[in-house]
Amino acid sequence: DTAVSQTPKYLVTQMGNDKSIKCEQNLGHDTMYWYKQDSKKFLKIMFSYNNKELIINETVPNRFSPKSPDKAHLNLHINSLELGDSAVYFCASSQVPGSNQPQHFGDGTRLSIL
Amino acid sequence: KQEVTQIPAALSVPEGENLVLNCSFTDSAIYNLQWFRQDPGKGLTSLLLIQSSQREQTSGRLNASLDKSSGRSTLYIAASQPGDSATYLCAALNSGGSNYKLTFGKGTLLTVNP
Repeated sequence: DTAVSQTPKYLVTQMGNDKSIKCEQNLGHDTMYWYKQDSKKFLKIMFSYNNKELIINETVPNRFSPKSPDKAHLNLHINSLELGDSAVYFCASSQVPGSNQPQHFGDGTRLSIL
Repeated sequence: KQEVTQIPAALSVPEGENLVLNCSFTDSAIYNLQWFRQDPGKGLTSLLLIQSSQREQTSGRLNASLDKSSGRSTLYIAASQPGDSATYLCAALNSGGSNYKLTFGKGTLLTVNP
């Protein structure tokens, strides 16, 4: 009965490859997010979707393309992976942000670029 | 642009001690202030959310306070236990029209020694 689930948990791949990370939430939330946590543990917002519509895009290279097929899913596709993309990527969801309810996080996908 | 700072970066205490974690933010026009816990290899778990109109929130042994005008929040943990060992993250939610963005601090790594 996991609330926010991400797959895969670990992803090891070579520079230049294209990869996808999937996220699903069963909380009935309207808003979903992708965050990146770098090697110094600093957590930063990348994208936010509300009801399948992109509402936040934080100066992320266009090699990163989020896709929301429905409000329960937000996938992240990364093209031409670079060494600097190595990080832990977290998916999160919440009710409409102005509702003063906390965000719920998945366990993260640890991406390592060789 | 919101910036969130947490002090100290790391804290080690003996079991049973009361402790305070500090968080400061530069933009006082926040919608709410959230405290999370992160265990190694896991996602974030929401601990407390303080709305901008509130001064504090309590949950069990945890008490979080908010002083919006001075840009500060504290998380007080009473009678600490080894199970409290984790990284504690503070995050400020700001709104820009219909966009709500959560900005995180770098966290305080807490170790409670038995």
